[in-house]
Amino acid sequence: DAKTTQPPSMDCAEGRAANLPCNHSTISGNEYVYWYRQIHSQGPQYIIHGLKNNETNEMASLIITEDRKSSTLILPHATLRDTAVYYCIVTSFGSGGSNYKLTFGKGTLLTVNP
Amino acid sequence: EAQVTQNPRYLITVTGKKLTVTCSQNMNHEYMSWYRQDPGLGLRQIYYSMNVEVTDKGDVPEGYKVSRKEKRNFPLILESPSPNQTSLYFCASIASGSYEQYFGPGTRLTVT
Repeated sequence: DAKTTQPPSMDCAEGRAANLPCNHSTISGNEYVYWYRQIHSQGPQYIIHGLKNNETNEMASLIITEDRKSSTLILPHATLRDTAVYYCIVTSFGSGGSNYKLTFGKGTLLTVNP
Repeated sequence: EAQVTQNPRYLITVTGKKLTVTCSQNMNHEYMSWYRQDPGLGLRQIYYSMNVEVTDKGDVPEGYKVSRKEKRNFPLILESPSPNQTSLYFCASIASGSYEQYFGPGTRLTVT
């Protein structure tokens, strides 16, 4: 699986958009970009994933560059409850007998300030 | 409510005393796995199971056992715990072919 690079920490004001970058310059054609977050020692929580196109769900938006070497997770209106470590993970796991292992790096600690 | 549950949530034990951490999911997921999380090392996979009676080693299986007799349950067994197994443990599950993996709330284990 491709490795990812994320800033160790970021701050965001409550109510503003939080933009979390991730570099994955060695991503392969069949690898997806996943984002998970972990709120203070709780179990990691799935946020969103994408392959090539930009994606949006009720939690966030994912913008993937055309060359797929980087991506940005956007939380449109950050709240205090969004303070967490955010992990960008690149993996090709899927069906057909493969291990659905997620390789978590150090992630980005996002602190949302009042 | 779709969820993965773990018990106990907190456990303090002594070296060599066998223990089991239970994991159960109510989503009929085929795949389940165990991770441990340690400061500076992130989450590392211990064991995983693709379905009932099918288990395999992850990255750090030494000192652990698992079983998958039923689809919903995937217990983690420490036959002879040692202090280096002090950690935060997470169970996870996902349906085959799906994308969203669900994690349990975690079990904080301390071995003295």
